Amino acid sequence: DARVTQTPRHKVTEMGQEVTMRCQPILGHNTVFWYRQTMMQGLELLAYFRNRAPLDDSGMPKDRFSAEMPDATLATLKIQPSEPRDSAVYFCASGLVPGESQPQHFGDGTRLSIL
Amino acid sequence: GENVEQHPSTLSVQEGDSAVIKCTYSDSASNYFPWYKQELGKGPQLIIDIRSNVGEKKDQRIAVTLNKTAKHFSLHITETQPEDSAVYFCAARGGGYQKVTFGTGTKLQVIP
Repeated sequence: DARVTQTPRHKVTEMGQEVTMRCQPILGHNTVFWYRQTMMQGLELLAYFRNRAPLDDSGMPKDRFSAEMPDATLATLKIQPSEPRDSAVYFCASGLVPGESQPQHFGDGTRLSIL
Repeated sequence: GENVEQHPSTLSVQEGDSAVIKCTYSDSASNYFPWYKQELGKGPQLIIDIRSNVGEKKDQRIAVTLNKTAKHFSLHITETQPEDSAVYFCAARGGGYQKVTFGTGTKLQVIP
């Protein structure tokens, strides 16, 4: 089965450090999403891309977060500088547009802990 | 924007019993409703979905119903098994492509 691959799976670092999370979408998918999951807020959409162009990043704190797609096989989410409140699980998902009933497929996430 | 409410937040059932999770949505333009199952340490995985032109869909022990007039949809799991224990999320997609809004999740525990 085709899968979304996220690296690293776990990351522990000190506040102030830069964090980069990577995502390899399913081959052929043209839409990529970044989500953050916490106990308090549930699944929050941070940003999403279609054909590598950012369509919506309104859910992302712009002063410290940035999301890019350098090419069709790689999406990145960076936090600089990181803060303890950024501790969460970050998920990437990919999908195919157009496709009225095409679901998003999720990776297994990056568990981020900021000390 | 779309708002999706999900109930209950936790649900415990005896093995073999049925489980029902309910969701409501606010955007009448929503046309696609997926359900995801999330196991510990994993990402959400699609288990079933339904489009707005269908009232019910079934896949083995799992079924989803949709009432467009009332703007609510439900997940039904029959003959529950311990491996059904997980967190379940409903979601709704509005008029735009692919951007979905998720419910807050239901933690299902199936007691052997």
